[in-house]
Amino acid sequence: GENVEQHPSTLSVQEGDSAVIKCTYSDSASNYFPWYKQELGKGPQLIIDIRSNVGEKKDQRIAVTLNKTAKHFSLHITETQPEDSAVYFCAAYLGTYKYIFGTGTRLKVLA
Amino acid sequence: DGGITQSPKYLFRKEGQNVTLSCEQNLNHDAMYWYRQDPGQGLRLIYYSQIVNDFQKGDIAEGYSVSREKKESFPLTVTSAQKNPTAFYLCASSIVPARSGSSYNEQFFGPGTRLTVL
Repeated sequence: GENVEQHPSTLSVQEGDSAVIKCTYSDSASNYFPWYKQELGKGPQLIIDIRSNVGEKKDQRIAVTLNKTAKHFSLHITETQPEDSAVYFCAAYLGTYKYIFGTGTRLKVLA
Repeated sequence: DGGITQSPKYLFRKEGQNVTLSCEQNLNHDAMYWYRQDPGQGLRLIYYSQIVNDFQKGDIAEGYSVSREKKESFPLTVTSAQKNPTAFYLCASSIVPARSGSSYNEQFFGPGTRLTVL
């Protein structure tokens, strides 16, 4: 069936280091891939997204890469800061209002 | 401020009782959604609505019901038929893709309601 695998489930990095979270999707028809940041007790906030006709997108310290052939996409956070600590979710849009979400990565940035 | 509001933030319910979670948006979005979030799992779609007076079941609709009488509001009722209702519930909204000219619909999420069944 349709699914999105997300790794790792937890990630600890030292402040200033980079963090990479990877997702793999199964439906080749997926054409839009958002990344969300969720802080404790709050709803997810969109932080960056990428469409299937683009290989990479960058917004300040955050970047996303997409490999359509391999059906995987990754979130890269550089120069991590303590406020980056949160749970990050990837998602793949299947069309007809349907998204499949990854299981989340708990990122902890150690000061 | 434009956004999505959910109330209450925390909700406690006794077994066998129905409970209704509120979701309101002032973003003028046509589409609204309800998701359930459990620890260690991705968000799962319960119901969605593309337009007023219309809604469709998502992947886990059993034990839930919704209504869409107004564009701004999409309440979710968790019925006594839902076997494991304790979870974090998220409401979202989006522009209908056809109107935005996009092939996808960016979703905006509310702050969530944590439901606990005692």
